[in-house]
Amino acid sequence: DTEVTQTPKHLVMGMTNKKSLKCEQHMGHRAMYWYKQKAKKPPELMFVYSYEKLSINESVPSRFSPECPNSSLLNLHLHALQPEDSALYLCASSQDGTSDTQYFGPGTRLTVL
Amino acid sequence: GENVEQHPSTLSVQEGDSAVIKCTYSDSASNYFPWYKQELGKRPQLIIDIRSNVGEKKDQRIAVTLNKTAKHFSLHITETQPEDSAVYFCAATPGGDNAGNMLTFGGGTRLMVKP
Repeated sequence: DTEVTQTPKHLVMGMTNKKSLKCEQHMGHRAMYWYKQKAKKPPELMFVYSYEKLSINESVPSRFSPECPNSSLLNLHLHALQPEDSALYLCASSQDGTSDTQYFGPGTRLTVL
Repeated sequence: GENVEQHPSTLSVQEGDSAVIKCTYSDSASNYFPWYKQELGKRPQLIIDIRSNVGEKKDQRIAVTLNKTAKHFSLHITETQPEDSAVYFCAATPGGDNAGNMLTFGGGTRLMVKP
């Protein structure tokens, strides 16, 4: 398996909802990432997990909560989001997180009403 | 932190012509420079990358050059085809402890190849 998969593909949620995004890879990669991408903009790094430990948090609001249950899975828990959080959320993985190639998942298109 | 500038923001070429996209970066310790292609509604896909110990790399119609002294790198696509139409992003990873996996992207270039 040489792909990063993400579920769901689309998500619509209200500002009071709690939802989770899921990312999975079976390439044996030990680094996983969450990015946020607004329309016509580049991806912006949110979190980095390296060997299942959170290594980078780019000052992301606490309404976004990442979790790495094991080396193949990465979750992003969402709570009390704002309409401006609507975006494409991309997951990526890489071999070990040291200037190595990152492979992206297809993303989850999130709409916050 | 790292800052990556990308030009032009849009580029229109005739099929068969060449396309060149340029990026500059700010952190002289950056050591890895990938290029991603993103088609509408799709994931970013790596098309080529270069490391700081190499000045040029080529893969069929695509080439990347790196000038460490000037801190800029460029993507060259020859014999463009309509399927090359997409948004292209350059990126750089800054040097330093625990920073090797932090990709900073340029603003993107929308390439349109006219048949």
